Amino acid sequence: GAGVSQSPSNKVTEKGKDVELRCDPISGHTALYWYRQSLGQGLEFLIYFQGNSAPDKSGLPSDRFSAERTGGSVSTLTIQRTQQEDSAVYLCASSARQGPSDEQFFGPGTRLTVL
Amino acid sequence: KQEVTQIPAALSVPEGENLVLNCSFTDSAIYNLQWFRQDPGKGLTSLLLIQSSQREQTSGRLNASLDKSSGRSTLYIAASQPGDSATYLCAVSMFRGGATNKLIFGTGTLLAVQP
Repeated sequence: GAGVSQSPSNKVTEKGKDVELRCDPISGHTALYWYRQSLGQGLEFLIYFQGNSAPDKSGLPSDRFSAERTGGSVSTLTIQRTQQEDSAVYLCASSARQGPSDEQFFGPGTRLTVL
Repeated sequence: KQEVTQIPAALSVPEGENLVLNCSFTDSAIYNLQWFRQDPGKGLTSLLLIQSSQREQTSGRLNASLDKSSGRSTLYIAASQPGDSATYLCAVSMFRGGATNKLIFGTGTLLAVQP
């Protein structure tokens, strides 16, 4: 079956521009996560969606970052007024939320480069 | 605050050798632990998930163990092959009913298996 997909795979933008990153989770998975992987910080949690509950935004690094999930499926991560320190690989994951065996499956990521 | 450490940071072995990768965590109250591999420029592939109540999980040539009380997990790879070359990441979940099942990642071990 199809895994988690993300688009675009690569994005180069100029400092100050806004960008949108998209994630399509595995069909039927109710939980969706965004993580960021950067050279200096490793892999960090950004935001989490579960069904119709309010998202956990505790990992978002600044108010320039926002995300939404429409219809309980596709999610978009938006970064406004991009800065060079936003350059990283943005990874999306989904899971079925079935207790202690809850396994997260990751997409291929979007590599963002801010010039 | 949970901290996850992986040693060694890098490892080079000849093909056919058995090897062990180590992961340690500071807060033993984890929900589960996942091992991933990441190939250059790719996303994360889930290898094994160990629930907090389990001691080990096996998949093919891979065996992961968990000692929650001492805050340690090991990933054992038998009869290593050049195709095993990748970065291996461990991640722990601190999920408490209703809270986010976000993963906290280690910094990874870069494995090179020489033919």
